[in-house]
Amino acid sequence: DGGITQSPKYLFRKEGQNVTLSCEQNLNHDAMYWYRQDPGQGLRLIYYSQIVNDFQKGDIAEGYSVSREKKESFPLTVTSAQKNPTAFYLCASSILGQGSVKRFFGPGTRLTVL
Amino acid sequence: GEDVEQSLFLSVREGDSSVINCTYTDSSSTYLYWYKQEPGAGLQLLTYIFSNMDMKQDQRLTVLLNKKDKHLSLRIADTQTGDSAIYFCAESEYNNNDMRFGAGTRLTVKP
Repeated sequence: DGGITQSPKYLFRKEGQNVTLSCEQNLNHDAMYWYRQDPGQGLRLIYYSQIVNDFQKGDIAEGYSVSREKKESFPLTVTSAQKNPTAFYLCASSILGQGSVKRFFGPGTRLTVL
Repeated sequence: GEDVEQSLFLSVREGDSSVINCTYTDSSSTYLYWYKQEPGAGLQLLTYIFSNMDMKQDQRLTVLLNKKDKHLSLRIADTQTGDSAIYFCAESEYNNNDMRFGAGTRLTVKP
């Protein structure tokens, strides 16, 4: 089955630690995205990548880093510089080009900082 | 910047129709989307509409688009408890890979 997988589903971190969230897709999509969701709020874009070895900051990139070494994979690192990292993190992918750019989403990772 | 606005909460009785509304400001919006998010899960694309359409129907779902007023709605007929979720409206332009989301409407269906 084609889709997007995120792991782990739940993640706990102590303050001051970096942590990496995994995102893999087998949809052969060029573009991948990381969003953050807080209770009662919409989705905020952290980073996105349209091609391997290239990525762009979104609206709230501070305290986060990403890499795109393979088309299928777009891991997100939440660094200790992120002041309020507890949130639900969603990875998505889409085709590029003209027309509808509907996003396909993974199941999410809930990060809790203790 | 461009905005997508939704009311935050909607409560209906099982069997009634639900109507979730969305307004947007970008006059260049070409595609309008509705996503559903169940508790603790990712977003699932329900349907989307091209801006030259007024209406799209898919089983219990009806999407209405008033392009003049920049107003989009999602009607769910015969709402069931399994429809309880957060519904997100989103929009994108034809030749632009950005997608803008509303804050989501939490639909609660009471038995």
